[in-house]
Formats: sequence, C-alpha cells, structure tokens
Amino acid sequence: SQTIHQWPATLVQPVGSPLSLECTVEGTSNPNLYWYRQAAGRGLQLLFYSVGIGQISSEVPQNLSASRPQDRQFILSSKKLLLSDSGFYLCAWSRGVTNTEAFFGQGTRLTVV
Amino acid sequence: GESVGLHLPTLSVQEGDNSIINCAYSNSASDYFIWYKQESGKGPQFIIDIRSNMDKRQGQRVTVLLNKTVKHLSLQIAATQPGDSAVYFCAENIRNSWGKLQFGAGTQVVVTP
Repeated sequence: SQTIHQWPATLVQPVGSPLSLECTVEGTSNPNLYWYRQAAGRGLQLLFYSVGIGQISSEVPQNLSASRPQDRQFILSSKKLLLSDSGFYLCAWSRGVTNTEAFFGQGTRLTVV
Repeated sequence: GESVGLHLPTLSVQEGDNSIINCAYSNSASDYFIWYKQESGKGPQFIIDIRSNMDKRQGQRVTVLLNKTVKHLSLQIAATQPGDSAVYFCAENIRNSWGKLQFGAGTQVVVTP
C-alpha cells in the first residue's frame, strides 16, 4: 500500500530564518506531487506541483520554492521566512493520470514569529 | 477566477439526522469531483468521488449528487455520527490539467447530541 510521510508536524521559526519541509511517498512510482497551504478556516491553496524529478511548477508567486531531488521526495524551502508564511502546509500525491484523487500527508503547522 | 465555492460555512446537525453539504462550481471544464473530510490538525481524507458522466454515486453512508446543469455538487451523510464532525471540502479536477485539484473554502460540520 502507498503511504505519504511529512515532517515535522509542527515548527516555530523566527522571521528571516530558512525553511525546509520534507515529504516522501512510499509504495508507488512516478507520482504527481503537490504542496498546498491552508490558512486558518480556509480551503487549500496549491503552491507547487511536480510531475517528475526536477520538474516543478509554481502556482502562485511567493517566498517559497520547491524541489524534487528524487522520484518520491518533495521538499518545500525558503531562504528567509516572512510572518505571512505561517500556515498549515500539506504535501499530497496522486497517480500520474488525470481524474484521480490526491492523498494527503498529515501536514506541518508552521508558525513564523 | 473560476473556483469551487461552498454555500454554508458551518452546518450544525443533530446526531442521527442526515447532513447535506453543498458545493457550487463554475468551471464547465471540470470533469471530476471529490469530497474530502478534514479533522482538526490533520490532512484531508478522501471520502467519495464522482465523474462528470455520472449524476449520483453512493458509498457507505455517503452519497454524492452532481447536477451539471446548475454546476452543483452535494454530499449527503446518512445518520450523522459524532465522528462525522469535521470540515468537508469539495474539489474539482479541470479537464486536461494533469490531475490538479482546486478546492473550495470548506464547510464545518458540527454534530450535536
């Protein structure tokens, strides 16, 4: 069976510090990978998606970047965090075809102070 | 821009009653829809999906109805239980968008005894 791991679960970082959130998927190959952000009481906003190693598409301009160094590894990064980067970050994967559901990790609660 | 939106931000339901959660979408190119359940502090979990060539699909205690004429989607939960308390999101997949999902704002369902 497929599993998705996302860590850490919670993170408190000072403004201006770097960020690295990691997500790995097991039990599947060549998945589509996604990073979403969720503000409190809001829906999910797609930040980045990847259809293959080294292939990253950004959905919204922001202070964050993403990388996919391996087939089942997706990393969300920032060189200098802003207060507005606080939120709940979710990694997800789907099979590399259309009309299929996405499976989510448990999320990382990031608080920038 | 076109988006998925929800009519009711909060729904209070008595235990044992049926719940109906509504969702409106505006993109006529959407051909696949999913309902997710998100418990506090966790990632969304898949509940049920429906393709645009269907108007109804049933699962265990849940039914999704799709009305393409008015671009409306609903999730019905039979005999609502305390464990059904969560935020429910509808999501749409736009045709030829490689599986990217667009989410609505969500509906908070509160089950009262």
